[in-house]
Amino acid sequence: GIQVEQSPPDLILQEGANSTLRCNFSDSVNNLQWFHQNPWGQLINLFYIPSGTKQNGRLSATTVATERYSLLYISSSQTTDSGVYFCAVGGGSYIPTFGRGTSLIVHP
Amino acid sequence: DAGVTQSPTHLIKTRGQHVTLRCSPISGHKSVSWYQQVLGQGPQFIFQYYEKEERGRGNFPDRFSARQFPNYSSELNVNALLLGDSALYLCASSSRVGGQPQHFGDGTRLSIL
Repeated sequence: GIQVEQSPPDLILQEGANSTLRCNFSDSVNNLQWFHQNPWGQLINLFYIPSGTKQNGRLSATTVATERYSLLYISSSQTTDSGVYFCAVGGGSYIPTFGRGTSLIVHP
Repeated sequence: DAGVTQSPTHLIKTRGQHVTLRCSPISGHKSVSWYQQVLGQGPQFIFQYYEKEERGRGNFPDRFSARQFPNYSSELNVNALLLGDSALYLCASSSRVGGQPQHFGDGTRLSIL
């Protein structure tokens, strides 16, 4: 199956800092989503982005499918951004594979 | 519109018992998927159903089974519970299989004593 690697595994920021999270995958995909899991366990959709670039407020994402990676940018981080960020990818059958996530802590 | 709803939110069982978890998809969504998330890991795919038919199965033992009803809601059943089945069980819905974003419910937190 598809292998998904996310980096860094852990990230600690001061409020207001910017960060870039990376998702590498081992095969061509036709589905890719970024999620934020908050401390209560809720998985929140951030982006559905099998290719290209999208922006939503302070967050943006870019997927370069030909080079098998996706990036999630967080600008002007806030304490509410804390949690775990997951990348999930799927191939032809769209049985999605999740990475192990990036755990983000934003200090005030 | 309501999102994906799951019940119960929390559940405590003992080894050997069985459990049934329930999921109602977003209105209009015909595909439901189930995931298991153990502490410190990403969600692991268990099953995917579309139009009441199984469309995908992850690497889980036969103790795990699921079904989808005519109204597209779904049940996940786990028999002969083991301590290792303690996890957050997540349900996701999408409008169809493949090429569509999935939307997740808040999950059922299952603890096995």
